[in-house]
Amino acid sequence: DGGITQSPKYLFRKEGQNVTLSCEQNLNHDAMYWYRQDPGQGLRLIYYSQIVNDFQKGDIAEGYSVSREKKESFPLTVTSAQKNPTAFYLCASSTTGWQPQHFGDGTRLSIL
Amino acid sequence: GQQLNQSPQSMFIQEGEDVSMNCTSSSIFNTWLWYKQDPGEGPVLLIALYKAGELTSNGRLTAQFGITRKDSFLNISASIPSDVGIYFCAGLHDVAYAGGTSYGKLTFGQGTILTVHP
Repeated sequence: DGGITQSPKYLFRKEGQNVTLSCEQNLNHDAMYWYRQDPGQGLRLIYYSQIVNDFQKGDIAEGYSVSREKKESFPLTVTSAQKNPTAFYLCASSTTGWQPQHFGDGTRLSIL
Repeated sequence: GQQLNQSPQSMFIQEGEDVSMNCTSSSIFNTWLWYKQDPGEGPVLLIALYKAGELTSNGRLTAQFGITRKDSFLNISASIPSDVGIYFCAGLHDVAYAGGTSYGKLTFGQGTILTVHP
């Protein structure tokens, strides 16, 4: 089945550690996105990529980094510079940047 | 930046009742989307609206794109227990970035938590 796969489902980070969240899609979509969801705050855009080898910062990019080396993959690294990383992270994709986005099932990141 | 005001924040209803929720903004959007999110899962697209005034249905769900392009509503008729979840509106608008290009950015409402009592 076509879809967006995020892994792992749950992730724990120690102080000073970088962690990477995986996002893979087999929908042949050009555009991919990362969002952060906190209780009561809806979804906020971290990074987006319109095409391979290109990505742009969203509203809350500080403390995060991404890469887009392949069309189907858009990993997100939560660096030690992100002081409040505990959240639910959602990856999305769309055919182009102006089409509805479809979401993966998320990764919940917690601090040890 | 763009902001969406979604209301109500939560609703507690009896099975069989109709539900209505809406989103408003001071800004214009090109597309309105409605999503449903179950606990621990990603949002699922319910309805997409592309033109001002458009009224679209998906089973028991009906949504409309406001004439002013600044608002949208979602109605659920004859609610059932599986309608429980968080409903989000989202508006798509153009954002310019360096190099003279632009992209479509989604702005999300805060969500409406729906509880249905059997």
